[in-house]
Amino acid sequence: QSVLTQSPSVSGAPGQTVTISCTGTSSNLGAGHDAHWYQHLPGTAPKLLIYGYTIRPSGVPDRFSGSKSGTSASLAITGLQAEDEADYYCQSYDSSLSGWVFGGGTRLTVL
Amino acid sequence: QVKLVESGGGEVQPGRSLTLSCAASGFTFSTYAMQWVRQAPGKGLEWVAVIRNDGTKKYHTDSVRGRFNVFRDDSKNTVWLQMNSLTAEDTGTYYCARGIWFGDSWGEGTQVTVSS
Repeated sequence: QSVLTQSPSVSGAPGQTVTISCTGTSSNLGAGHDAHWYQHLPGTAPKLLIYGYTIRPSGVPDRFSGSKSGTSASLAITGLQAEDEADYYCQSYDSSLSGWVFGGGTRLTVL
Repeated sequence: QVKLVESGGGEVQPGRSLTLSCAASGFTFSTYAMQWVRQAPGKGLEWVAVIRNDGTKKYHTDSVRGRFNVFRDDSKNTVWLQMNSLTAEDTGTYYCARGIWFGDSWGEGTQVTVSS
């Protein structure tokens, strides 16, 4: 059971838009800690997509965007491409653990 | 450019020990907190440990506290994860990452298999 809650899977056709949500608790997102998003293919280095809920690091396409709503965060991917097929994780800092917490991951399938 | 390279993984019997290394380059290592994150087969990412940039504070997730220890040597630009009393539940790919609030750079990981 992950501390942050994500839906396990999402799918979309090329060119479409998908959204992945992440719900936190009072010791992480609810405590004012930011949400961050990673793209991961198992066996490779996770890639930071979004930090501070909405900020894209240099080099990340603007097809990826993040948003905040209360104690939840969302990642939107527009103009889906085959190369976007991967696992996506939200992450935050947890005050009670003094460390990071992750969502369970959402597997994106591009149809 | 920033580079993190993990090493030291392998297959080990339950109850034994293993020490993982993460060699950093391309940035001022001493100014960054460093994290260890793992992924068990078929599971998601799990935070394991953090060591702050000055090395004075370190934290470990509940399931490894008392068995694992993270430490660093800024003169060697390296962070280690000493893992004792290993169990099958510790099997997975171990990644190091740079940063205190989030990981802006990650290594490719090193595989740890605990099996008799």
